[in-house]
Amino acid sequence: DGGITQSPKYLFRKEGQNVTLSCEQNLNHDAMYWYRQDPGQGLRLIYYSQIVNDFQKGDIAEGYSVSREKKESFPLTVTSAQKNPTAFYLCATRSQLAQDTQYFGPGTRLTVL
Amino acid sequence: AQSVTQLDSQVPVFEEAPVELRCNYSSSVSVYLFWYVQYPNQGLQLLLKYLSGSTLVESINGFEAEFNKSQTSFHLRKPSVHISDTAEYFCAVQKTSYDKVIFGPGTSLSVIP
Repeated sequence: DGGITQSPKYLFRKEGQNVTLSCEQNLNHDAMYWYRQDPGQGLRLIYYSQIVNDFQKGDIAEGYSVSREKKESFPLTVTSAQKNPTAFYLCATRSQLAQDTQYFGPGTRLTVL
Repeated sequence: AQSVTQLDSQVPVFEEAPVELRCNYSSSVSVYLFWYVQYPNQGLQLLLKYLSGSTLVESINGFEAEFNKSQTSFHLRKPSVHISDTAEYFCAVQKTSYDKVIFGPGTSLSVIP
């Protein structure tokens, strides 16, 4: 069953704790992305990676970190430095062969209490 | 820099009535244009895209969008909506195959029985 997996679906953390969101894909896509979605603001790009062992900051990278040690995995860590971490987080991938289309995972809803 | 405007944040419409969701973009260069749909608590799915060629593009579930270069618009239309069309719709723009995707703020379509 091919696709993008994000786990968990819902995540609760206390303020001041770091938390890592998982994104795994078996589509063999080279590029992976993390977006944050807030009501009325659409999607904002946090980090992206075009290839293994390389990643770039997006528009709102402050307070977040990522790694890309494997092609299939692109975990996102929300650190305590992120001032307003409660949001819906979406992971996406894109193939080198079809650069015009992004494929999205089901998302993780993070609530910081 | 590119940007995307979706003029209506919420659009209520009765079942079987027509609907138009508006999207305008700003860019100094040619772009690719997309409409994505998001059902509650899910990721985004590509609905349709314009890359080049015919300015009218269609989806498999009855939606269509027309690229208007002079008005820099890419409005989404459906002649008769169904309850299952209730969702959030995002317009997006991309400068080239390798560029980042810029998303609009989204329009929430509510179909009323």
